[in-house]
Amino acid sequence: AQTVTQSQPEMSVQEAETVTLSCTYDTSESDYYLFWYKQPPSRQMILVIRQEAYKQQNATENRFSVNFQKAAKSFSLKISDSQLGDAAMYFCAYRSGGGADGLTFGKGTHLIIQP
Amino acid sequence: SQTIHQWPATLVQPVGSPLSLECTVEGTSNPNLYWYRQAAGRGLQLLFYSVGIGQISSEVPQNLSASRPQDRQFILSSKKLLLSDSGFYLCAWRGTGKFPYEQYFGPGTRLTVT
Repeated sequence: AQTVTQSQPEMSVQEAETVTLSCTYDTSESDYYLFWYKQPPSRQMILVIRQEAYKQQNATENRFSVNFQKAAKSFSLKISDSQLGDAAMYFCAYRSGGGADGLTFGKGTHLIIQP
Repeated sequence: SQTIHQWPATLVQPVGSPLSLECTVEGTSNPNLYWYRQAAGRGLQLLFYSVGIGQISSEVPQNLSASRPQDRQFILSSKKLLLSDSGFYLCAWRGTGKFPYEQYFGPGTRLTVT
Protein backbone atom coordinates (compact mmCIF):
# COMPACT_ATOMS: atom_id res chain seq x y z
CA ALA A 1 0.00 0.00 0.00
CA GLN A 2 1.11 3.50 -0.72
CA THR A 3 1.93 5.92 2.07
CA VAL A 4 2.31 9.69 2.07
CA THR A 5 4.35 11.47 4.72
CA GLN A 6 4.33 15.14 5.57
CA SER A 7 6.99 15.68 8.21
CA GLN A 8 6.15 19.31 9.04
CA PRO A 9 3.01 19.58 11.20
CA GLU A 10 3.27 23.37 11.10
CA MET A 11 5.16 26.01 9.15
CA SER A 12 5.27 29.77 9.53
CA VAL A 13 6.32 32.36 6.97
CA GLN A 14 6.33 36.14 6.70
CA GLU A 15 3.94 37.66 4.24
CA ALA A 16 5.56 38.13 0.78
CA GLU A 17 8.28 35.56 1.48
CA THR A 18 8.70 32.06 0.08
CA VAL A 19 7.95 28.82 1.90
CA THR A 20 8.44 25.18 0.97
CA LEU A 21 6.27 22.35 2.28
CA SER A 22 7.70 18.83 2.21
CA CYS A 23 6.10 15.58 1.15
CA THR A 24 7.52 12.12 0.61
CA TYR A 25 5.71 9.04 -0.56
CA ASP A 26 6.31 5.34 -0.81
CA THR A 27 5.17 3.31 -3.80
CA SER A 28 6.28 0.46 -6.02
CA GLU A 29 4.29 1.78 -8.97
CA SER A 30 5.75 3.67 -11.90
CA ASP A 31 2.52 5.30 -13.06
CA TYR A 32 0.90 7.64 -10.57
CA TYR A 33 -0.19 11.19 -9.88
CA LEU A 34 0.58 13.58 -7.07
CA PHE A 35 -1.43 16.52 -5.79
CA TRP A 36 -1.37 19.32 -3.28
CA TYR A 37 -4.70 20.33 -1.76
CA LYS A 38 -5.41 23.37 0.37
CA GLN A 39 -7.95 23.28 3.20
CA PRO A 40 -8.77 26.76 4.59
CA PRO A 41 -10.79 27.24 7.78
CA SER A 42 -13.99 26.65 5.77
CA ARG A 43 -12.65 23.05 5.38
CA GLN A 44 -13.39 22.98 1.66
CA MET A 45 -10.65 20.96 -0.05
CA ILE A 46 -9.22 22.95 -2.94
CA LEU A 47 -6.88 21.49 -5.55
CA VAL A 48 -3.73 23.61 -5.75
CA ILE A 49 -1.48 21.77 -8.17
CA ARG A 50 -1.05 18.40 -9.89
CA GLN A 51 1.94 16.43 -11.15
CA GLU A 52 1.97 13.42 -13.43
CA ALA A 53 4.78 11.01 -12.54
CA TYR A 54 5.68 10.48 -16.20
CA LYS A 55 6.43 14.17 -16.65
CA GLN A 56 9.93 15.33 -15.75
CA GLN A 57 8.99 18.99 -15.81
CA ASN A 58 7.85 20.39 -12.48
CA ALA A 59 4.30 21.72 -12.42
CA THR A 60 3.65 25.41 -11.85
CA GLU A 61 0.42 27.28 -11.12
CA ASN A 62 0.97 31.00 -10.64
CA ARG A 63 2.73 31.43 -7.26
CA PHE A 64 2.68 27.69 -6.57
CA SER A 65 5.27 25.29 -7.91
CA VAL A 66 6.51 21.82 -7.05
CA ASN A 67 9.87 20.13 -6.87
CA PHE A 68 9.22 16.58 -8.01
CA GLN A 69 12.10 14.19 -7.39
CA LYS A 70 10.85 10.81 -8.63
CA ALA A 71 13.89 8.77 -7.63
CA ALA A 72 13.83 10.22 -4.15
CA LYS A 73 10.01 9.94 -4.00
CA SER A 74 9.79 13.54 -2.93
CA PHE A 75 7.15 16.11 -3.89
CA SER A 76 7.54 19.49 -2.21
CA LEU A 77 5.35 22.56 -2.69
CA LYS A 78 6.85 26.03 -2.97
CA ILE A 79 4.68 29.06 -2.37
CA SER A 80 6.20 32.32 -3.56
CA ASP A 81 5.17 35.79 -2.43
CA SER A 82 3.08 34.34 0.41
CA GLN A 83 -0.24 36.04 1.01
CA LEU A 84 -2.52 36.07 4.06
CA GLY A 85 -5.06 34.06 2.06
CA ASP A 86 -2.56 31.23 1.75
CA ALA A 87 -2.99 30.40 5.42
CA ALA A 88 -4.51 26.93 5.56
CA MET A 89 -3.83 23.24 6.00
CA TYR A 90 -2.00 21.78 3.02
CA PHE A 91 -2.30 18.13 2.14
CA CYS A 92 -0.15 16.09 -0.19
CA ALA A 93 -2.01 13.28 -1.97
CA TYR A 94 -1.14 10.29 -4.15
CA ARG A 95 -3.19 8.46 -6.72
CA SER A 96 -2.34 5.26 -8.58
CA GLY A 97 -2.22 5.49 -12.35
CA GLY A 98 -4.91 2.93 -13.02
CA GLY A 99 -8.31 1.94 -11.70
CA ALA A 100 -10.88 3.93 -9.82
CA ASP A 101 -9.00 4.09 -6.56
CA GLY A 102 -9.21 7.13 -4.35
CA LEU A 103 -6.47 9.38 -3.07
CA THR A 104 -4.02 8.60 -0.30
CA PHE A 105 -3.37 11.68 1.82
CA GLY A 106 -0.64 12.79 4.16
CA LYS A 107 -1.55 14.18 7.57
CA GLY A 108 -1.14 17.75 6.47
CA THR A 109 0.93 20.85 7.23
CA HIS A 110 -0.60 23.85 8.92
CA LEU A 111 0.73 26.97 7.19
CA ILE A 112 0.72 30.22 9.14
CA ILE A 113 1.28 33.53 7.38
CA GLN A 114 2.76 36.25 9.57
CA PRO A 115 1.68 39.76 8.50
CA SER B 1 -19.62 23.49 -15.14
CA GLN B 2 -19.69 20.74 -12.59
CA THR B 3 -20.74 21.28 -8.99
CA ILE B 4 -21.01 18.96 -6.03
CA HIS B 5 -23.43 19.36 -3.14
CA GLN B 6 -23.50 17.79 0.28
CA TRP B 7 -26.10 17.96 3.02
CA PRO B 8 -26.56 18.50 5.75
CA ALA B 9 -23.64 20.82 6.43
CA THR B 10 -23.66 20.07 10.14
CA LEU B 11 -25.22 17.24 12.10
CA VAL B 12 -25.33 16.31 15.78
CA GLN B 13 -26.61 12.83 16.49
CA PRO B 14 -26.78 10.64 19.62
CA VAL B 15 -24.97 7.34 19.84
CA GLY B 16 -27.07 4.52 18.41
CA SER B 17 -29.08 6.71 16.05
CA PRO B 18 -29.14 6.20 12.27
CA LEU B 19 -27.26 8.34 9.77
CA SER B 20 -27.84 9.42 6.20
CA LEU B 21 -25.54 11.85 4.40
CA GLU B 22 -26.24 12.78 0.82
CA CYS B 23 -23.99 13.87 -2.02
CA THR B 24 -25.10 14.92 -5.49
CA VAL B 25 -23.12 16.03 -8.51
CA GLU B 26 -24.34 18.29 -11.29
CA GLY B 27 -22.98 18.89 -14.76
CA THR B 28 -21.51 15.48 -15.44
CA SER B 29 -22.73 11.96 -16.08
CA ASN B 30 -21.53 8.61 -14.76
CA PRO B 31 -18.89 10.10 -12.47
CA ASN B 32 -16.70 8.11 -10.13
CA LEU B 33 -17.76 9.16 -6.63
CA TYR B 34 -15.92 8.92 -3.32
CA TRP B 35 -16.60 9.28 0.40
CA TYR B 36 -13.77 10.36 2.70
CA ARG B 37 -13.63 10.96 6.44
CA GLN B 38 -11.36 13.43 8.17
CA ALA B 39 -10.91 12.91 11.89
CA ALA B 40 -9.81 15.87 14.00
CA GLY B 41 -6.27 16.95 13.10
CA ARG B 42 -5.84 14.19 10.55
CA GLY B 43 -5.70 13.72 6.82
CA LEU B 44 -8.49 12.26 4.76
CA GLN B 45 -9.25 8.56 4.77
CA LEU B 46 -11.05 6.95 1.86
CA LEU B 47 -14.18 5.10 2.99
CA PHE B 48 -16.04 4.11 -0.18
CA TYR B 49 -15.97 4.67 -3.90
CA SER B 50 -18.42 3.97 -6.69
CA VAL B 51 -17.94 3.68 -10.44
CA GLY B 52 -21.66 3.44 -11.25
CA ILE B 53 -25.20 2.90 -10.01
CA GLY B 54 -25.33 0.12 -7.43
CA GLN B 55 -21.55 -0.41 -7.54
CA ILE B 56 -19.84 0.24 -4.21
CA SER B 57 -16.30 -0.58 -3.10
CA SER B 58 -15.42 -0.40 0.57
CA GLU B 59 -11.92 0.55 1.61
CA VAL B 60 -12.18 0.36 5.38
CA PRO B 61 -14.30 -2.06 7.45
CA GLN B 62 -16.47 0.04 9.73
CA ASN B 63 -19.89 0.93 11.00
CA LEU B 64 -20.82 2.70 7.78
CA SER B 65 -22.27 1.75 4.41
CA ALA B 66 -22.74 3.53 1.10
CA SER B 67 -25.24 3.37 -1.72
CA ARG B 68 -25.59 4.85 -5.15
CA PRO B 69 -29.27 4.79 -6.12
CA GLN B 70 -28.90 7.23 -9.02
CA ASP B 71 -26.12 8.17 -11.40
CA ARG B 72 -25.20 11.39 -9.64
CA GLN B 73 -26.25 10.58 -6.08
CA PHE B 74 -24.08 8.98 -3.43
CA ILE B 75 -25.34 8.27 0.09
CA LEU B 76 -23.42 7.41 3.26
CA SER B 77 -25.40 5.61 5.95
CA SER B 78 -25.21 3.97 9.31
CA LYS B 79 -27.82 1.98 11.24
CA LYS B 80 -26.32 2.81 14.64
CA LEU B 81 -23.77 5.56 15.13
CA LEU B 82 -20.74 5.17 17.38
CA LEU B 83 -18.79 7.94 19.09
CA SER B 84 -15.88 7.11 16.80
CA ASP B 85 -17.98 8.02 13.75
CA SER B 86 -17.60 11.71 14.59
CA GLY B 87 -15.65 13.63 11.97
CA PHE B 88 -15.80 15.64 8.81
CA TYR B 89 -17.20 13.74 5.83
CA LEU B 90 -16.30 14.76 2.33
CA CYS B 91 -17.72 13.59 -0.97
CA ALA B 92 -15.65 13.87 -4.13
CA TRP B 93 -16.01 13.19 -7.81
CA ARG B 94 -13.36 12.25 -10.28
CA GLY B 95 -12.55 14.66 -13.04
CA THR B 96 -13.14 14.04 -16.72
CA GLY B 97 -11.74 15.58 -19.86
CA LYS B 98 -8.24 17.01 -19.68
CA PHE B 99 -7.52 15.75 -16.16
CA PRO B 100 -9.45 12.50 -15.62
CA TYR B 101 -7.46 11.40 -12.60
CA GLU B 102 -7.90 14.18 -10.06
CA GLN B 103 -10.73 14.65 -7.59
CA TYR B 104 -12.91 17.59 -6.66
CA PHE B 105 -14.50 17.85 -3.27
CA GLY B 106 -17.82 18.97 -1.90
CA PRO B 107 -18.18 21.35 1.05
CA GLY B 108 -18.38 18.51 3.57
CA THR B 109 -20.58 17.52 6.50
CA ARG B 110 -19.44 17.96 10.07
CA LEU B 111 -20.83 15.07 12.13
CA THR B 112 -20.74 15.06 15.92
CA VAL B 113 -21.92 11.94 17.71
CA THR B 114 -22.84 12.60 21.35
